[in-house]
Amino acid sequence: EDQVTQSPEALRLQEGESSSLNCSYTVSGLRGLFWYRQDPGKGPEFLFTLYSAGEEKEKERLKATLTKKESFLHITAPKPEDSATYLCAVLYGGYGQNFVFGPGTRLSVLP
Amino acid sequence: GAVVSQHPSRVICKSGTSVKIECRSLDFQATTMFWYRQFPKQSLMLMATSNEGSKATYEQGVEKDKFLINHASLTLSTLTVTSAHPEDSSFYICSAREDRDAEAFFGQGTRLTVV
Repeated sequence: EDQVTQSPEALRLQEGESSSLNCSYTVSGLRGLFWYRQDPGKGPEFLFTLYSAGEEKEKERLKATLTKKESFLHITAPKPEDSATYLCAVLYGGYGQNFVFGPGTRLSVLP
Repeated sequence: GAVVSQHPSRVICKSGTSVKIECRSLDFQATTMFWYRQFPKQSLMLMATSNEGSKATYEQGVEKDKFLINHASLTLSTLTVTSAHPEDSSFYICSAREDRDAEAFFGQGTRLTVV
């Protein structure tokens, strides 16, 4: 069965405490994996796209990596403003017709 | 990143009335638009996928006669909640992508409250 899971469900970090979020997927015909950030009451904000295993993308304190089975979002020295829900989404299928979100990880960074 | 504008951001309506939500891609042509519903502290639930000029594809369990989707142009899709009831109260979000392998960009969301 095609599915996308994320772990942990929630994560609390102290400011400056680096960590990683996981997105695991079991789908056929992966075309791309996307990371988004969502703040309460707002639509998701696009962060990264990864298309192939071994690919890495960076933006400020965030770094996303991709393997054939999972993706990691590494957060280095987080700040309180990094607190949000982080969602991964997988695009798959021969025509890119399937776009499925994981359940998300709620990140809280304490000052 | 590309901009997707969703309007209105909040709407309160009476039970039994209909509400229309607009989703516009401002700086790209969206071949595909998605409509999601999100409950508090839950992830996005895909309601339907629409391609410009064709009928929307609804997810299982979503009533197509209740949630009318129109994707009449490459920059505009609308979701109409017909005969709204309190249980339809939710956060509705649209997204759009330019082509089949591109990332999807999201609107700001619409908080619908049916009283």
